[in-house]
Amino acid sequence: ELKVEQNPLFLSMQEGKNYTIYCNYSTTSDRLYWYRQDPGKSLESLFVLLSNGAVKQEGRLMASLDTKARLSTLHITAAVHDLSATYFCAGRIQGGSEKLVFGKGTKLTVNP
Amino acid sequence: DGGITQSPKYLFRKEGQNVTLSCEQNLNHDAMYWYRQDPGQGLRLIYYSQIVNDFQKGDIAEGYSVSREKKESFPLTVTSAQKNPTAFYLCASSEGLAGVEQFFGPGTRLTVL
Repeated sequence: ELKVEQNPLFLSMQEGKNYTIYCNYSTTSDRLYWYRQDPGKSLESLFVLLSNGAVKQEGRLMASLDTKARLSTLHITAAVHDLSATYFCAGRIQGGSEKLVFGKGTKLTVNP
Repeated sequence: DGGITQSPKYLFRKEGQNVTLSCEQNLNHDAMYWYRQDPGQGLRLIYYSQIVNDFQKGDIAEGYSVSREKKESFPLTVTSAQKNPTAFYLCASSEGLAGVEQFFGPGTRLTVL
């Protein structure tokens, strides 16, 4: 059974600072997803990581995947207030099913 | 515009009532999913369907039912057997086994009065 754990669950940071959100998963997952959710809204896809060593960047966000360590990270560079949201990672159960298992999310607050 | 629509946006239910949440997609995706989100929690899979006229239980299917009579539609019924239905419900779709991403609809917030 795939389990996905994120930490921290809450993150308050100052604008301009850097920080990393961690996503550990318990068993083999062939894909790792990062989503953003604003309050009361749906999920917005940020990154899909498909292979070991994959790194993707969009603006101030960079995601990476280490399948051997079963770890993905979401790195925030020089945070701005607009990045305040809840970030979820999700793994896909390997074997052909499209079922995703989500972490509990990291609520990020960027303070001016 | 291609996308996923869910209706209604807000839904209020009295205890003992069944309610149906609508999910429609015009992305020509084969697979569709229903998730439930509780405050401060991640998403949990209720049901999913990889093809018309076929669907599978997810992790929390008890008290819910679905149908998949058309490729573009995947309605979810919350039955009176679901003891704690107040939550945010999200529908998603993907291209199926060949698809890389799941795309999410705007969600329906269900409240039991």
